[in-house]
Amino acid sequence: DAGVTQSPTHLIKTRGQQVTLRCSPKSGHDTVSWYQQALGQGPQFIFQYYEEEERQRGNFPDRFSGHQFPNYSSELNVNALLLGDSALYLCASSHITGGLSSYEQYFGPGTRLTVT
Amino acid sequence: DQQVKQNSPSLSVQEGRISILNCDYTNSMFDYFLWYKKYPAEGPTFLISISSIKDKNEDGRFTVFLNKSAKHLSLHIVPSQPGDSAVYFCAARATGGGADGLTFGKGTHLIIQP
Repeated sequence: DAGVTQSPTHLIKTRGQQVTLRCSPKSGHDTVSWYQQALGQGPQFIFQYYEEEERQRGNFPDRFSGHQFPNYSSELNVNALLLGDSALYLCASSHITGGLSSYEQYFGPGTRLTVT
Repeated sequence: DQQVKQNSPSLSVQEGRISILNCDYTNSMFDYFLWYKKYPAEGPTFLISISSIKDKNEDGRFTVFLNKSAKHLSLHIVPSQPGDSAVYFCAARATGGGADGLTFGKGTHLIIQP
């Protein structure tokens, strides 16, 4: 049973560029959440996707956008990259039941983004 | 404004002893709490959770205690083993508004000494 997978593992981009990160949820899960973990900090919630729509959003600017595909996989796009966007980007999957996602979210290994 | 706080960046415990990791929160809307464990180069792994209607949940060597009046929870690991060395994150969720995003603390690096 494959867990949550993310690609790429590492990425180096230049300020002002755009980046796309990818995530495949755990088998049987239909909801994908994205988190940003800066160095020395805990993960911060960016947004959550369910049924191909953004279901909930954290306190992140519109430069951060996403997409969910019919097979439940998801992409995170960040435009106009800033140095402060350098972080580990984590994807987590869960399953919606009764309008709420399952309590435990399962995380992928993350994508390390470095902006120079 | 940090809604979930883990005030100890690191904790060193001898193998076989009890490890106690603490977490405080400020948002009264939080009604579900989770602990995650993270090894380097891996994503966080779910460890144990507790609903706000309970004050204790136990799973093997791991026990989580919740004190709602103090807005405080703790994770007890007994006995501590070398494989427990990792960063532990406390996370909280407010489900009342249909919100599922987790709010994390900054983590505590637990080091188990042989």
